[in-house]
Amino acid sequence: ETGVTQSPTHLIKTRGQQVTLRCSSQSGHNTVSWYQQALGQGPQFIFQYYREEENGRGNFPPRFSGLQFPNYSSELNVNALELDDSALYLCASSLRQDYGYTFGSGTRLTVV
Amino acid sequence: AQSVSQHNHHVILSEAASLELGCNYSYGGTVNLFWYVQYPGQHLQLLLKYFSGDPLVKGIKGFEAEFIKSKFSFNLRKPSVQWSDTAEYFCAVNEAGGFKTIFGAGTRLFVKA
Repeated sequence: ETGVTQSPTHLIKTRGQQVTLRCSSQSGHNTVSWYQQALGQGPQFIFQYYREEENGRGNFPPRFSGLQFPNYSSELNVNALELDDSALYLCASSLRQDYGYTFGSGTRLTVV
Repeated sequence: AQSVSQHNHHVILSEAASLELGCNYSYGGTVNLFWYVQYPGQHLQLLLKYFSGDPLVKGIKGFEAEFIKSKFSFNLRKPSVQWSDTAEYFCAVNEAGGFKTIFGAGTRLFVKA
């Protein structure tokens, strides 16, 4: 098993900028979900991709968008960054949309 | 809307003490239930899961959880904790066949050696 890898591990952005976070899913997993985890809170669901299509979304504005590629890797894009976007962003892959997840180590985003 | 409630935010136990972490969810349909654990410096990993069948589920490292449908609960238990169980534990639920897994706020467990 290759596990889930995310890049970068940390980054600092200025308010108003745009950011792209990347995720390689575990081998054989065709579903990727993205979560935002603020300090002291549980992960909050952003959206899920299955076979390159977004098949579900949480309560996040449209400036949060994503992609999934034919190899099932995925990107999370955030436009017009706000200070409140500072958080740990987690990518999780799974065999099915409602199966248990394999998580990556996350990307720590700081918006200043 | 679905929600997950974990009763304790912080728990401190001595080694060999028994552990029970509470988890309640709000959803009336068929659900899948999970416990995840995050050890210090590591990523979240699946501890155990319940989809159907025997409501008592056994996971890794001696953990188990019991699904009580009438109480909308899925409590995590371990008869005797070790110092290495120090971690943050998250309960999670999704609608069977659904796309969205909801997590609780987590419980930080500290086990004193």
